[in-house]
Amino acid sequence: QVQLQESGPGLVKPSETLSLTCTVSGGSISTYYWSWIRQPPGKGLEWIGYIYYSGSTNYKPSLKSRVTISVDTSKNQFSLKLSSVTAADTAVYYCARGDDYGEAGAMDVWGQGTTVTVSS
Amino acid sequence: DIVMTQSPDSLAVSLGERATINCKSSQSVLYSSNNKNYLVWYQQKPGQPPKLLIYWASTRKSGVPDRFSASGSGTDFTLTISSLQAEDVAVYYCQQYYSFPYTFGQGTKLEIK
Repeated sequence: QVQLQESGPGLVKPSETLSLTCTVSGGSISTYYWSWIRQPPGKGLEWIGYIYYSGSTNYKPSLKSRVTISVDTSKNQFSLKLSSVTAADTAVYYCARGDDYGEAGAMDVWGQGTTVTVSS
Repeated sequence: DIVMTQSPDSLAVSLGERATINCKSSQSVLYSSNNKNYLVWYQQKPGQPPKLLIYWASTRKSGVPDRFSASGSGTDFTLTISSLQAEDVAVYYCQQYYSFPYTFGQGTKLEIK
């Protein structure tokens, strides 16, 4: 059974870069799409972007200038970098997997989420 | 961006009764080439990540109880819980994956009356 686990700093200073890693266990990172989604405290879900195991990406346009998603197939991990963060980037960050039919947007396996607070 | 609007924002239903949640997209999420609606439903319980319940707008994911059903096409969709159980208390989200960026509804909070 595939499991995802997010890791990274829980506190990031304003204007700095948020960096998170999602480790995939119990299965291969190959042949799937892998997404990052975030949820500000008490609010709804926001899709940030995805990466295919081959390295192709797609980002939410409003975040595109600040987002980089990368994959390391040798480590079965993918990562998120979000630059120039502000308090508005404070959220629970989830990593998730696209479904077995190759649909990136139908996310059927999720990590437990990691809380990132942007504060000085 | 496609705007997803759910109604109601919150809903209180008695145990054993039917719960219905609606989702409307600002444009069609139906691909004419394969006649599939690119819409999913998630359930999120407090302190947990979302759980995929329904994909292609009406296909129940394996392991999801059959009291959960969904329907709709184009721009109007519905999630129905036929007989509410205590463990169904959660926030439910619809999400389209027809076009980028993928977008979610604002969520519907389902409680026990």
